[in-house]
Amino acid sequence: SQQGEEDPQALSIQEGENATMNCSYKTSINNLQWYRQNSGRGLVHLILIRSNEREKHSGRLRVTLDTSKKSSSLLITASRAADTASYFCAGSQGGSEKLVFGKGTKLTVNP
Amino acid sequence: DTGVSQDPRHKITKRGQNVTFRCDPISEHNRLYWYRQTLGQGPEFLTYFQNEAQLEKSRLLSDRFSAERPKGSFSTLEIQRTEQGDSAMYLCASSLITGGGNEQFFGPGTRLTVL
Repeated sequence: SQQGEEDPQALSIQEGENATMNCSYKTSINNLQWYRQNSGRGLVHLILIRSNEREKHSGRLRVTLDTSKKSSSLLITASRAADTASYFCAGSQGGSEKLVFGKGTKLTVNP
Repeated sequence: DTGVSQDPRHKITKRGQNVTFRCDPISEHNRLYWYRQTLGQGPEFLTYFQNEAQLEKSRLLSDRFSAERPKGSFSTLEIQRTEQGDSAMYLCASSLITGGGNEQFFGPGTRLTVL
């Protein structure tokens, strides 16, 4: 079963706009990670935020984590056509090293 | 390229046949994971190894599935008596034990089609 639920399921924006994707999860996590997947390809790790962190930045990416609401958001600023992909959140719990993924948000950035 | 590699990239087989996939992790990574992804879904965990020890298996991993990592380097995932429901992308990932978190690096996947 999947831990996370991304919202929205699909998002279409124009190049240069910001894109915000949300993730809600069910149980406590050690950390939360965001991944990108281009169509039919493997996943690329974007950013990891630990359960004791509230916000993290990496380039045009900004991730927030609210453990009280069991939610996270990924903001991509100044989007580019190359950002078109599916974005997944994934969490690890307790002593397990496995990642539990959501269903993903499909982002389309129109040139 | 020193990333995770998987072989083959595509496999088409007939129902009832056995298939085996290989994963070569990033060389210094001691953890190796297998996931399965179907269309429109996120990856689902199958199993993982730390060095050569298989430490966790999902209940998704039926008795037709077996994974090995004999020397703590590459890993194989075998599916016996394939069924059409096994059609999916099989993803391998690796990571290095650190105190900083469990960032997993994924390979390109093996897409299995069972006819």
